[in-house]
Amino acid sequence: EIVMTQSPATLSVSPGERATLSCRASQSVSSNLAWYQQKPGQAPRLLIYGASTRATGIPARFSGSGSGTEFTLTISSLQSEDFAVYYCQQYNNWPPATFGQGTKVEIK
Amino acid sequence: QVTLKESGPVLVKPTETLTLTCTVSGFSLSNARMGVSWIRQPPGKALEWLAHIFSNDEKSYSTSLKSRLTISKDTSKSQVVLTMTNMDPVDTATYYCARILLNWNDVGWFDPWGQGTLVTVSS
Repeated sequence: EIVMTQSPATLSVSPGERATLSCRASQSVSSNLAWYQQKPGQAPRLLIYGASTRATGIPARFSGSGSGTEFTLTISSLQSEDFAVYYCQQYNNWPPATFGQGTKVEIK
Repeated sequence: QVTLKESGPVLVKPTETLTLTCTVSGFSLSNARMGVSWIRQPPGKALEWLAHIFSNDEKSYSTSLKSRLTISKDTSKSQVVLTMTNMDPVDTATYYCARILLNWNDVGWFDPWGQGTLVTVSS
């Protein structure tokens, strides 16, 4: 089973600033990686798939990069609605699909 | 518009069997490029994939929970059912169903997700 490790666990950022979230896979997952956003009391929402393709309706301030074992989600200018928990998920070697433990982006 | 909605009991007793139903709309369970997964999330914790099913009835289960899980579908009713036997308080979680979208390599991501249903296991 591939283990996904996200860092940091919590990221404190001021509105308007850039946020950079990391996700590392225990072995290569090629570009088969997705990112999700989860707000309190809500279901996760797909942001990025294929490591860098934005899902339908996702603002351009969200971008994904990386391949193999190292991935990054960047939010270029944080808006108030972006404060949430973000999860990465690999789907290269499945089942099982595996998720990271999440990065909480909080207001600084 | 694609939607998924989970339904089932909010409270189950230890050792009981949990049965959850995911009713989908906006896509067909016979679509060969899509499937449905169940994923759970204990309060304050991360997401855990449980099982998935595809149009050809291919099924897969979490290795650690395989002996307790059964997934099935009724295409005519647009429903996917998950049963989990021998429930324990550690199984308390929000249970989500989500559509799987497959890429060219027959692996995929989850979009969209249902709203989730919180299941508490307690006597």
